[in-house]
Amino acid sequence: GAGVSQSPSNKVTEKGKDVELRCDPISGHTALYWYRQRLGQGLEFLIYFQGNSAPDKSGLPSDRFSAERTGESVSTLTIQRTQQEDSAVYLCASSPGTAGEQYFGPGTRLTVT
Amino acid sequence: DQQVKQNSPSLSVQEGRISILNCDYTNSMFDYFLWYKKYPAEGPTFLISISSIKDKNEDGRFTVFLNKSAKHLSLHIVPSQPGDSAVYFCAAREIGGSEKLVFGKGMKLTVNP
Repeated sequence: GAGVSQSPSNKVTEKGKDVELRCDPISGHTALYWYRQRLGQGLEFLIYFQGNSAPDKSGLPSDRFSAERTGESVSTLTIQRTQQEDSAVYLCASSPGTAGEQYFGPGTRLTVT
Repeated sequence: DQQVKQNSPSLSVQEGRISILNCDYTNSMFDYFLWYKKYPAEGPTFLISISSIKDKNEDGRFTVFLNKSAKHLSLHIVPSQPGDSAVYFCAAREIGGSEKLVFGKGMKLTVNP
């Protein structure tokens, strides 16, 4: 019954490698968001999917970051050629539509060594 | 350029007393404000929200006040309980824009028994 789930919960990778982070939103939620939280900072918006509309990618920090969503379900955030500054907790959230509060997953803690 | 500011990183109060968490914003296009609570190793959970057409919203022990002219909102928790100890994030959404939320850096609340 679940809430938003994310995998893996922790990921350690070497600089330069690619990583994929997965998010399973709450069933029936049409909107899905990715945020990241670097140490000591607030949550930083990355990308937003709403139904079949074009995603809002305005928060992606570089072209090394991309995300996909399959219909109204699973989303994958991919970071290519990871850098140490990519180390953060990556949080996924979903909501039932516009004007709804967002429900967050537990996050994936990414450490780039 | 921080659009949502939580200027105090931490607050400590005694159980049973009032906790007041403050948040300032700079973007006059924000129309909806939310408070999230976050425990370690968990994603943020929605607490309470307020639309810009209101100046107060109450839910049990939690009340959010909005002062649009001052671009200031506050969260009051009364009476505070040890289980309220967490990091609290203030967030805001922009009128007519994407549904992305802009978050403050968070404030750590500690309620002492």
